[in-house]
Amino acid sequence: GAGVSQTPSNKVTEKGKYVELRCDPISGHTALYWYRQSLGQGPEFLIYFQGTGAADDSGLPNDRFFAVRPEGSVSTLKIQRTERGDSAMYLCASSLSSGRIGELFFGEGSRLTVL
Amino acid sequence: KNEVEQSPQNLTAQEGEFITINCSYSVGISALHWLQQHPGGGIVSLFMLSSGKKKHGRLIATINIQEKHSSLHITASHPRDSAVYICAALSTDKLIFGTGTRLQVFP
Repeated sequence: GAGVSQTPSNKVTEKGKYVELRCDPISGHTALYWYRQSLGQGPEFLIYFQGTGAADDSGLPNDRFFAVRPEGSVSTLKIQRTERGDSAMYLCASSLSSGRIGELFFGEGSRLTVL
Repeated sequence: KNEVEQSPQNLTAQEGEFITINCSYSVGISALHWLQQHPGGGIVSLFMLSSGKKKHGRLIATINIQEKHSSLHITASHPRDSAVYICAALSTDKLIFGTGTRLQVFP
């Protein structure tokens, strides 16, 4: 499809397990963002990629969270030793450039539930 | 105090009413986005503003850089406009989101 694709759309896991969430941005978009949204709250910045490199990872809450984008396209958000507080909607967005010029396109999100 | 604040948090309206949602920010920005989020989570970008005013259909967005304030207006509101509207300030390549305004438009 032409939009930002996120998989899985829903993930239920047990506390302590490892989880991977995938984002497939719009082809040609160099900027990719990950956000986390808890119920009733606005999205919270996690990490921003420009190409293959993480330009800003200051939003990652702790070292259990890690994200990669090895070929400058698909990105994977990895969460180790999941905790109940990690339950949220994880949103990915992409943009043609850093966002200074480009419009942002969001995926439908991956809802993570940690039991 | 949040760097991006929206008001009101919740808004109900009758079909046809004129709607205004406000956004104030305290950081330096290069642009401000207005986003629409429907139940289920999908987010759609409505506007990206760096100055002045933009219009798309029944939606109008304005920004006053000096006052660090932006507004989203909906004219002739319709039940299908019911959604959460989020403003997000682009500051040093990072988007800082407001907490959103939940709008319900009743027929």
